[in-house]
Amino acid sequence: AQSVTQLGSHVSVSEGALVLLRCNYSSSVPPYLFWYVQYPNQGLQLLLKYTSAATLVKGINGFEAEFKKSETSFHLTKPSAHMSDAAEYFCATRNSGNTPLVFGKGTRLSVIA
Amino acid sequence: GAGVSQSPSNKVTEKGKDVELRCDPISGHTALYWYRQSLGQGLEFLIYFQGNSAPDKSGLPSDRFSAERTGGSVSTLTIQRTQQEDSAVYLCASSLLGPDFREQYFGPGTRLTVT
Repeated sequence: AQSVTQLGSHVSVSEGALVLLRCNYSSSVPPYLFWYVQYPNQGLQLLLKYTSAATLVKGINGFEAEFKKSETSFHLTKPSAHMSDAAEYFCATRNSGNTPLVFGKGTRLSVIA
Repeated sequence: GAGVSQSPSNKVTEKGKDVELRCDPISGHTALYWYRQSLGQGLEFLIYFQGNSAPDKSGLPSDRFSAERTGGSVSTLTIQRTQQEDSAVYLCASSLLGPDFREQYFGPGTRLTVT
């Protein structure tokens, strides 16, 4: 079964610093991969998705992620953190178009002024 | 337009009681998913509906959990004889159906606390 592993349950960065949230996947075939963000007391919002069309994926709010098959990674980055980026981020995968999502454990991002 | 809504937003119940959680998906979304978010377990899939049928119930943790969907719209997740380990945030998501990726839109969740 496909799975994703997020490294680091909590990441803290200074405002304006690079954000790097790590995700590794386990799959024998090219997977669908996603990053979701969850703000306090809200549902999940899709940040970006990888569906094999392009290895560098740009999402909302200035985030992007790069699919690296050699490293089985799909890390999320943003060049300059903003206070409003403080939230929980989930990496996820799924087998095909309408199958359920399989989530990582999540990484809480704190942004320090 | 309206997103996915869930009710109640918070529910506190005593151990052993039954609870019903409701999900109103986005109009026209044929697929509906229930997930559970709890400390230590992260986000777990519970059940998937395609229309009114549930082709995948593999995530339901025990026979105390059941769900139904009527009219291809509203879904209800029922937990019987609640236990403290059922305390979690229950999230509902809906999407269109299709051979390619269809984004799942999530509701705000129902926070269930079993005392």
